[in-house]
Amino acid sequence: GAVVSQHPSWVICKSGTSVKIECRSLDFQATTMFWYRQFPKQSLMLMATSNEGSKATYEQGVEKDKFLINHASLTLSTLTVTSAHPEDSSFYICSARDPRSNQETQYFGPGTRLLVL
Amino acid sequence: KQEVTQIPAALSVPEGENLVLNCSFTDSAIYNLQWFRQDPGKGLTSLLLIQSSQREQTSGRLNASLDKSSGRSTLYIAASQPGDSATYLCAADFMDSNYQLIWGAGTKLIIKP
Repeated sequence: GAVVSQHPSWVICKSGTSVKIECRSLDFQATTMFWYRQFPKQSLMLMATSNEGSKATYEQGVEKDKFLINHASLTLSTLTVTSAHPEDSSFYICSARDPRSNQETQYFGPGTRLLVL
Repeated sequence: KQEVTQIPAALSVPEGENLVLNCSFTDSAIYNLQWFRQDPGKGLTSLLLIQSSQREQTSGRLNASLDKSSGRSTLYIAASQPGDSATYLCAADFMDSNYQLIWGAGTKLIIKP
């Protein structure tokens, strides 16, 4: 089946630094990718929809200037957490839609855990 | 190897019926287990999150249970409606999974009017 990878799987950084998370569709071209965030003991929350070649669509309450999304190619979307703070510590997961599937099945990455000190 | 399995892969039932979706996992050492809904062409919707210390969670017509000893979780949907048609996924946060969620393949549910 289709595979979506994320890198890194976990990252620890100091407050004020920027962190980039990559999401790759390994064997298919994804025109649309989704970014989610999950805080400890809470459910997953959709942050934004990433469309190749255009601006991402952010969900209400998500700061687009803080969470920069770049979907520059059909197999790669990146999420950059700018000037990270401890409250940004979370689990970030992406998914990619496989256009080859009649049902436009989404495949999910394994996630990235971010800890901001 | 830690795995999450969902059976059946697809399920079709008449409107109004109560139904149960199954999720099994290979390692009882989990932090939590989640159920999600996936609609075609749309992002993921989180339904219920069950912490390791909990036995069940309820939200409206949905009830999710967790039995770590048997490695099973069920999602119960009461009085099903056509709008419940979607793919339902479960994902386990294993304690020894290198910070990764392990996902089931999903059950595609069709509710017939």
